[in-house]
Amino acid sequence: GENVEQHPSTLSVQEGDSAVIKCTYSDSASNYFPWYKQELGKRPQLIIDIRSNVGEKKDQRIAVTLNKTAKHFSLHITETQPEDSAVYFCAASLGQAGTALIFGKGTTLSVSS
Amino acid sequence: ETGVTQTPRHLVMGMTNKKSLKCEQHLGHNAMYWYKQSAKKPLELMFVYSLEERVENNSVPSRFSPECPNSSHLFLHLHTLQPEDSALYLCASSPGQGSYGYTFGSGTRLTVV
Repeated sequence: GENVEQHPSTLSVQEGDSAVIKCTYSDSASNYFPWYKQELGKRPQLIIDIRSNVGEKKDQRIAVTLNKTAKHFSLHITETQPEDSAVYFCAASLGQAGTALIFGKGTTLSVSS
Repeated sequence: ETGVTQTPRHLVMGMTNKKSLKCEQHLGHNAMYWYKQSAKKPLELMFVYSLEERVENNSVPSRFSPECPNSSHLFLHLHTLQPEDSALYLCASSPGQGSYGYTFGSGTRLTVV
């Protein structure tokens, strides 16, 4: 079945540094790739997403890139701040017409000041 | 209030008990989902209900039984659970019909003793 691999599982950076999280997916029919941020004890929240007809999308300090040929996508956070510390999940849509998402295992990002 | 409400927030149940988790969305969405979140594991898709499909993850044991009486309500009926079923159970909804924007509920923290 559909599988999403996410790396690294943990990431520690200094405030102001950049952070990159990478995901690969298995279903070539997937066409939607969101990223969620989950702070401790809270629900996952969508932070950015990208569709398969776009190669890159940016929103202030965060950006997502997609390589459909290689079936991988990445989250880039620049000028990290302590409040960026959280667990980040990537996801891929289940097939092209479905509504469900398959999630990666998550990356725990720690930003130290 | 995010528009997706889950009750109860916490549940402790014995292995012989029967209980139900409830999810309600006020966003006019057409698709609802149950996910299981365990430590060190990805968000595991359990069930999908939408206008287009009902999806069941075949690896979900029959001791979990979903019910979706209408597009605003989703239940997860639990019976004869095992300690390894202890986890955070997250409900989500989305517009469906090709639009994926998930909104998650706060989750039910389930402990099976």
